[in-house]
Amino acid sequence: EAQVTQNPRYLITVTGKKLTVTCSQNMNHEYMSWYRQDPGLGLRQIYYSMNVEVTDKGDVPEGYKVSRKEKRNFPLILESPSPNQTSLYFCASMRGRDTQYFGPGTRLTVL
Amino acid sequence: GEDVEQSLFLSVREGDSSVINCTYTDSSSTYLYWYKQEPGAGLQLLTYIFSNMDMKQDQRLTVLLNKKDKHLSLRIADTQTGDSAIYFCAGGGNTGKLIFGQGTTLQVKP
Repeated sequence: EAQVTQNPRYLITVTGKKLTVTCSQNMNHEYMSWYRQDPGLGLRQIYYSMNVEVTDKGDVPEGYKVSRKEKRNFPLILESPSPNQTSLYFCASMRGRDTQYFGPGTRLTVL
Repeated sequence: GEDVEQSLFLSVREGDSSVINCTYTDSSSTYLYWYKQEPGAGLQLLTYIFSNMDMKQDQRLTVLLNKKDKHLSLRIADTQTGDSAIYFCAGGGNTGKLIFGQGTTLQVKP
């Protein structure tokens, strides 16, 4: 089954404690992306990757890092989380324009 | 900067048509997308349209694009209760960057 998986699905952490949210896709898609969803703001793109070892900033990259060492994985790293990074995070992969899959989301709370 | 605007809420009766509107500022958006998000779930791509097209129809969905006014709409014919969800429009080019609207909550009353 084609899917994008994210882990963890829920996370409560404290300010400054480094964390990683994993994202994995099984469709061999070249393009992957991370978004955050906040009430009233829709989705905002954090980082995206057009292929292995190629990453670019989206609209809101500050405070986040990503890496794309292999095609299937695209982890999101928060080196020093802050409360304003409390949000719902989605990972997605895409091939062409009509094949896009979103993960189920990771709800992050930073205290 | 680039911006995509949507109305926040739409309520219709089951069986009616729904029209969800979106305006965008970035004229370089090559592709315009519509997504559906059901409660507690990720986004599902519904359809997309190239910027050189005026209309695209896909079963109950019709997308209209007015490039002059930078206005995009999604029409859902014969709206069903299962269509209740949040609908997002988004614009993107060939760079991979995507700009989303705030989302429109569609409420379908039986």
